[in-house]
Amino acid sequence: GDSVIQMQGQVTLSENDFLFINCTYSTTGYPTLFWYVQYSGEGPQLLLQVTTANNKGSSRGFEATYDKGTTSFHLQKTSVQEIDSAVYYCAMRAWTGGYKVVFGSGTRLLVSP
Amino acid sequence: GPKVLQIPSHQIIDMGQMVTLNCDPVSNHLYFYWYKQILGQQMEFLVNFYNGKVMEKSKLFKDQFSVERPDGSYFTLKIQPTALEDSAVYFCASSYDRGGNERLFFGHGTKLSVL
Repeated sequence: GDSVIQMQGQVTLSENDFLFINCTYSTTGYPTLFWYVQYSGEGPQLLLQVTTANNKGSSRGFEATYDKGTTSFHLQKTSVQEIDSAVYYCAMRAWTGGYKVVFGSGTRLLVSP
Repeated sequence: GPKVLQIPSHQIIDMGQMVTLNCDPVSNHLYFYWYKQILGQQMEFLVNFYNGKVMEKSKLFKDQFSVERPDGSYFTLKIQPTALEDSAVYFCASSYDRGGNERLFFGHGTKLSVL
């Protein structure tokens, strides 16, 4: 079945560090890929999405490229800030008999000042 | 921006009792979803709902679970009877369409504690 894999449970950085969060996906369909961000006490909210293979999505300084060859959608940011501390979920939506959104296990980002 | 409201934010209930979680989706949205998140774990899909019917459900959507949206009011998740393993945060989401590039809008979640 469809799946999204995030291997990093937690990433700890200092302000202005470079952020890289791994995400790989598996599906037999044609996915749209998403990054959602969840701040403490809130529901997830969309950070960025990419529908077309080999395209890049960006928002608020975050970027992710839909790499069909490596089935990856890694999230990057050149210089993180303390306010970026949150849980980041990679997610996928693909037509394989349904349109549910499948989430990865999430990566908690802690940024210290 | 568009908001999904969930009521209540926290519900404490004794095992075996019935509970109804309420969701007020974005006003012009047509597709509705429930996700379950056990503390510190990932978001797990439960069910999606359109035009008065369940479209898809996962193995987590047990026989004790049901959903409905009577007459365009709240979209509800009912658990009857509740079990200890139902303790989790339940997130409601909605989308206008179900197309592949349609984003979901989530509520803040209802924390369900089954004692």
